[in-house]
Amino acid sequence: KAGVTQTPRYLIKTRGQQVTLSCSPISGHRSVSWYQQTPGQGLQFLFEYFSETQRNKGNFPGRFSGRQFSNSRSEMNVSTLELGDSALYLCASSLTNYGYTFGSGTRLTVV
Amino acid sequence: TQLLEQSPQFLSIQEGENLTVYCNSSSVFSSLQWYRQEPGEGPVLLVTVVTGGEVKKLKRLTFQFGDARKDSSLHITAAQPGDTGLYLCAGAGTSYDKVIFGPGTSLSVIP
Repeated sequence: KAGVTQTPRYLIKTRGQQVTLSCSPISGHRSVSWYQQTPGQGLQFLFEYFSETQRNKGNFPGRFSGRQFSNSRSEMNVSTLELGDSALYLCASSLTNYGYTFGSGTRLTVV
Repeated sequence: TQLLEQSPQFLSIQEGENLTVYCNSSSVFSSLQWYRQEPGEGPVLLVTVVTGGEVKKLKRLTFQFGDARKDSSLHITAAQPGDTGLYLCAGAGTSYDKVIFGPGTSLSVIP
C-alpha cells in the first residue's frame, strides 16, 4: 500500500513569506501528526488531527496552523516565516498512537 | 510536562560489537516506540512495547520496556554498518495523548 506522501520535498522561502505543506496519509488512517525536526531541538510536536479535528497541540506560536480534510489529507501553514523556522517538517499517520508511519518530510529553508 | 531522555547521545563502534541505547523518563507511558532515521528521511518504526517488563526481539535487536513503564532500552548484537542511523524513542501518556520523542542516539558502525 502507498505510504505517507509529503509535498513538496524541498522549499526555499524568504523571511516574512508564508508557506503551506501538504501530507497525504496512508489510506484508512484518520490521525495525522506534524513534527518539526531541527539539529538542536530534535523532533518537536506541532499538532495532531483526527477526523478533521485538532486533537493535540504542541507549544508553537500561532503562526503555525494546520487543518485536515474529509479525506484525511492534511496541510500545515506557517505565516510570517522566520529564519528559525528552517527545519525538516515531518508528517506521520497512524491508526492509534502506538506506532506512526512517517513521510519523507519537507525540507524548508528560510533565507 | 513529559520528557524523554536518551543516552548516549553519540555512539561510534566497530562492526561486530554490541551496544545498548537507553531511553528514560520520570513519567509513565502507555507505550514506548523505537524508530530509526536515516539522513534526509522520516523515522521508521522498529517496535512498540506496551506492557511493563516486556521484551521484544527483532533479529539482532532486543527491546525492553521497564517494569514501571518509565524507561526502555535497545540492545544491538553484532552491529553492522547497515545499523548506522539516528535511533529515537517515543511515547505517549495515554492512547489519545500526543507522542513525544527523545533527542535521539546517533549510531555510527564502522566497517
